[in-house]
Amino acid sequence: SQQGEEDPQALSIQEGENATMNCSYKTSINNLQWYRQNSGRGLVHLILIRSNEREKHSGRLRVTLDTSKKSSSLLITASRAADTASYFCATENSGGYQKVTFGTGTKLQVIP
Amino acid sequence: GAGVSQSPSNKVTEKGKDVELRCDPISGHTALYWYRQSLGQGLEFLIYFQGNSAPDKSGLPSDRFSAERTGGSVSTLTIQRTQQEDSAVYLCASSLKRTWGSYGYTFGSGTRLTVV
Repeated sequence: SQQGEEDPQALSIQEGENATMNCSYKTSINNLQWYRQNSGRGLVHLILIRSNEREKHSGRLRVTLDTSKKSSSLLITASRAADTASYFCATENSGGYQKVTFGTGTKLQVIP
Repeated sequence: GAGVSQSPSNKVTEKGKDVELRCDPISGHTALYWYRQSLGQGLEFLIYFQGNSAPDKSGLPSDRFSAERTGGSVSTLTIQRTQQEDSAVYLCASSLKRTWGSYGYTFGSGTRLTVV
C-alpha cells in the first residue's frame, strides 16, 4: 500500500506561477524525499528533508515538513515549461530497515 | 559507473516466455531496490537488497518473480512465464545507507516490458 498520498493528483499552471504540491503520510519517518519523473522513466532525486527539519530550500524548490500533521509540501517558484513532470514524495520509515515508500504522484503541467 | 544502468531499455516478449532484467548500481552503493510502475501509476515496491541478501522481498507479486544480486553489485530480476499484466516499466535504484538514513535514491532509466 502507498505510504504517501500526494495532492492534487494533477495541476496545470501558467509559466511563471508558483506550484504547490502536498504529501501526507502515516507512519514515523527518518526523512521525506521528493522526486521528479519525466516521460514515465527514471526518477530524479530533488531534495531530502530530515524528520528534525522543518523547511529546506534548493534553488527554486522549497520543502516544508510538519511531522505533527504527517505532511509535507513542495513549492516550485517561478515555474518553467521544463518543470512539467510528475512529482513523487517518498518517506523513509524510522523503524526496521528504513524502507522507502513512494506516493501516488502529482502530474504538473506548466503552460508556456 | 556514474549512474545506475539498466538493460535492456525496452523488451517485448511473448506471453509465457521468461525474461531477465539487469541492474548495474552505482559503485559502492550497498542498497539496491526494484520497483514496478504501470502506465500512469505510482511506484510499486518489489524487493530490496542490502549487499547480496534480500531483507525484504514482500513486494514480489508471485512466485514467477525472483531476483538475485551478486558481488554486492549487479542485480537480475527474472520473470518466468510472463503474463500480460506483467507489462510495466521496471525501475531499479541504489543508495548509500547510513544508520540515520539514506541520502536518497539514484534511479536507472528503467526497462519497459511489454508482454504480447
